[in-house]
Amino acid sequence: EADIYQTPRYLVIGTGKKITLECSQTMGHDKMYWYQQDPGMELHLIHYSYGVNSTEKGDLSSESTVSRIRTEHFPLTLESARPSHTSQYLCASSRGSEAFFGQGTRLTVV
Amino acid sequence: AQSVTQPDIHITVSEGASLELRCNYSYGATPYLFWYVQSPGQGLQLLLKYFSGDTLVQGIKGFEAEFKRSQSSFNLRKPSVHWSDAAEYFCAVGMNNAGNMLTFGGGTRLMVKP
Repeated sequence: EADIYQTPRYLVIGTGKKITLECSQTMGHDKMYWYQQDPGMELHLIHYSYGVNSTEKGDLSSESTVSRIRTEHFPLTLESARPSHTSQYLCASSRGSEAFFGQGTRLTVV
Repeated sequence: AQSVTQPDIHITVSEGASLELRCNYSYGATPYLFWYVQSPGQGLQLLLKYFSGDTLVQGIKGFEAEFKRSQSSFNLRKPSVHWSDAAEYFCAVGMNNAGNMLTFGGGTRLMVKP
């Protein structure tokens, strides 16, 4: 069973607030990813990291930022949340060719 | 660039009936192929994967998928669907040298009638 955790599971927040979505994995994986998924839609890669101090933007442009100071931790931050950021955010990690996903954070910006 | 197409957005089958979910991919070389299942409010769980070798792969929960290079397809099958199989299913393709980044299809929502 995969050990990758996302908090919070659900978040409702007002426009303009700064938020950080947490993602942690205990598997020692070097590679970590953030995907954005609108309801009923496909997943889009927004950020990825190959290891500590490595971060790259994904296929889908996002106003969020990420950091990778520790192997196990890959938080995503929105400096000023907007209703257009309402979505589900899925974190994943991998070593080799299989990715393991967290349960996701469903973000609603009102 | 790689892409994945799942032609069926919704599928409804009766419990006990067989199931086939379609997936077509576009990629210049042999891809890594995956099927994931997502239950409501949950993350993605890997059902099965294909990297090389036998083109018919077995997964968890009684699912299997067949890689057909000539058709650029990787369809998911199950001989007898259970009500608990109702979920969203995603096909994904990854390049074998791309750091495991996956490109997902749009998903197929499976509904199971009693």
